[in-house]
Amino acid sequence: GAVVSQHPSWVICKSGTSVKIECRSLDFQATTMFWYRQFPKQSLMLMATSNEGSKATYEQGVEKDKFLINHASLTLSTLTVTSAHPEDSSFYICSARSRRLAGLETQYFGPGTRLLVL
Amino acid sequence: AQSVTQLDSHVSVSEGTPVLLRCNYSSSYSPSLFWYVQHPNKGLQLLLKYTSAATLVKGINGFEAEFKKSETSFHLTKPSAHMSDAAEYFCVVSDQGHGGATNKLIFGTGTLLAVQP
Repeated sequence: GAVVSQHPSWVICKSGTSVKIECRSLDFQATTMFWYRQFPKQSLMLMATSNEGSKATYEQGVEKDKFLINHASLTLSTLTVTSAHPEDSSFYICSARSRRLAGLETQYFGPGTRLLVL
Repeated sequence: AQSVTQLDSHVSVSEGTPVLLRCNYSSSYSPSLFWYVQHPNKGLQLLLKYTSAATLVKGINGFEAEFKKSETSFHLTKPSAHMSDAAEYFCVVSDQGHGGATNKLIFGTGTLLAVQP
């Protein structure tokens, strides 16, 4: 149980284009989803927190107009990187949390999406 | 503010020998602490978590961690390493914010565990 998927697993795009990444909780309802990015040999940094049906809360320094997050249902959140630039190339990881599963602190992570912007 | 420090960026052990991955935390509150493992091309997997119950926490795959408040440590151990344990390990603290409302996870910088045959 508690499986989170991400699609695509990797994507290459041209500078200036937009890329959408999907995060799905497959066997539970996720009241909250989180988006992280991980640069090579670095730790995960939280970008934003999204609750179903409400606007995402972005961490300091994360541009909300560049990283659009939509959490339209209890099983799906999307991250759209708009007008991508090479410096946006990174590993994007989502996680999901359910009040019913193991308490508020436990997050279940997706396998990540590797983005390369040329 | 909560934070975690992983003291070793790389640890190398021989198969069958004990594993020790060190983590120290800083927290204004009674912390919730976690260890996650990340295998290449796979999602982060929860190994174990401490949430103010027993100080010795047993996790999956034979791993365990001991919460020591006096030392502000939460080191991860395993008696005997397997080749399949080679991965990156993250020590994580939950940022409980105001009354537990946020519960954001704050990650350490990770420890890459290599297991030699």
